[in-house]
Parts: sequence; C-alpha cells; structure tokens
Amino acid sequence: SAVISQKPSRDICQRGTSLTIQCQVDSQVTMMFWYRQQPGQSLTLIATANQGSEATYESGFVIDKFPISRPNLTFSTLTVSNMSPEDSSIYLCSVEPPDRAAEAFFGQGTRLTVV
Amino acid sequence: AQSVTQLDSQVPVFEEAPVELRCNYSSSVSVYLFWYVQYPNQGLQLLLKYLSGSTLVKGINGFEAEFNKSQTSFHLRKPSVHISDTAEYFCAVSAGGTSYGKLTFGQGTILTVHP
Repeated sequence: SAVISQKPSRDICQRGTSLTIQCQVDSQVTMMFWYRQQPGQSLTLIATANQGSEATYESGFVIDKFPISRPNLTFSTLTVSNMSPEDSSIYLCSVEPPDRAAEAFFGQGTRLTVV
Repeated sequence: AQSVTQLDSQVPVFEEAPVELRCNYSSSVSVYLFWYVQYPNQGLQLLLKYLSGSTLVKGINGFEAEFNKSQTSFHLRKPSVHISDTAEYFCAVSAGGTSYGKLTFGQGTILTVHP
C-alpha cells in the first residue's frame, strides 16, 4: 500500500490569505486526487491531478480558487486562495491505486480553519 | 456520472445488536463499491470493497456487505456491534475505466453504539 504524507496536518488562517497543502507519496503514481470535507459533510472531489498536465476540476471548483501543481509522480500541492470562513474544511489527498484490485489510498488530511 | 445515496444519516444501536447501514448507487456503467470508516478526528479507513465475483464481501472488524446489482445497493452489515464501532461510515463508488481511484461518496452515516 502507498504511504501518503500531507502537510500541514492543521492550520488556522486569516481570511484573505492563501494556504498551500502538500501531498507526498512514497511511490510513483499516475493520478492524484484532492477532496474537500466540509464540517459535517461528506467528501467532495475537487480535482484530479496528473503529472505533466493541468488538473481537471469538478463542477463548482475553479483553478483560480484551488490551483494545483503536480511537478512529479510522487508530489502534489493544493492551494486554497483568498480564503474565507466557508473554506474551513478538511482537505484530503488521495492516490490512484496500483491496480484495480486495490483501493484508493488517502492521506490523513489537512484540517483548515479560516478566521 | 455516478451518485451514491446513504439512506440513513444517523443510526443509533445498542451494543451487541446487529446493524445495517444502507447504500444505494446510480451509474450507467459498471462500478466498484467501497465502504470507508472515519473515526473522530481521524482519516479514512477502508472497511471492504466489491470489485467483481462473489456478491457477499467480508471486510475488517467483522463487517460485511452485499452487492445487489438489480437493486443497485451495497448495504453494510455487522451481526453484533461494539462501542468501538461508533464512527461515521461512507459508501463510495468508482466508475473504473481510466480513473478507478476517483471516488464519489455518499453523505455518510453516523453509527452510534450505546452501552
């Protein structure tokens, strides 16, 4: 199984600022995914990040608000820009399993509070 | 596109009683199905998955689920719950194909086990 490290694990940020979340995987993966879990809600996919191409965003999410980088096959970042209290959520990184018999692996998440 | 509906937002149950958490999905293509558990302030942990084959799948911690294609359901069951099973449970689907790690989650069911 893949080991995923997310940083930071939590942060409290001022509104109007930006936070970059890092996701590091211990093996090379083709696809990485970013999810958001708002308080008391389920997980919603923000975008899919492939190495060497622009991220693909889901409906309701835009690149200006959530820019994503994928510089290599083991690393990705998600930036939450111009934050407001509504951005307070847990942000999770996930990676494509190595084969169809496996499951998607998740990082421990970044708990973001915007004040 | 896929969708997942978890029919119960909260399920209270007494310790050692059986429990069933219900999940229905909608998809125009074949799917892979998953149940994840999230303990308070922790990340997601996979309970079990259905990829193909036997429709009854067994997972960790004594949980099992049955895939019913005709009813598009994937209900999670445990014959006797423990206090430690108190958590939030998420049903998820993946459409497979080129992005089988991309998951659509249900709204979650909070299982509370009372002594």
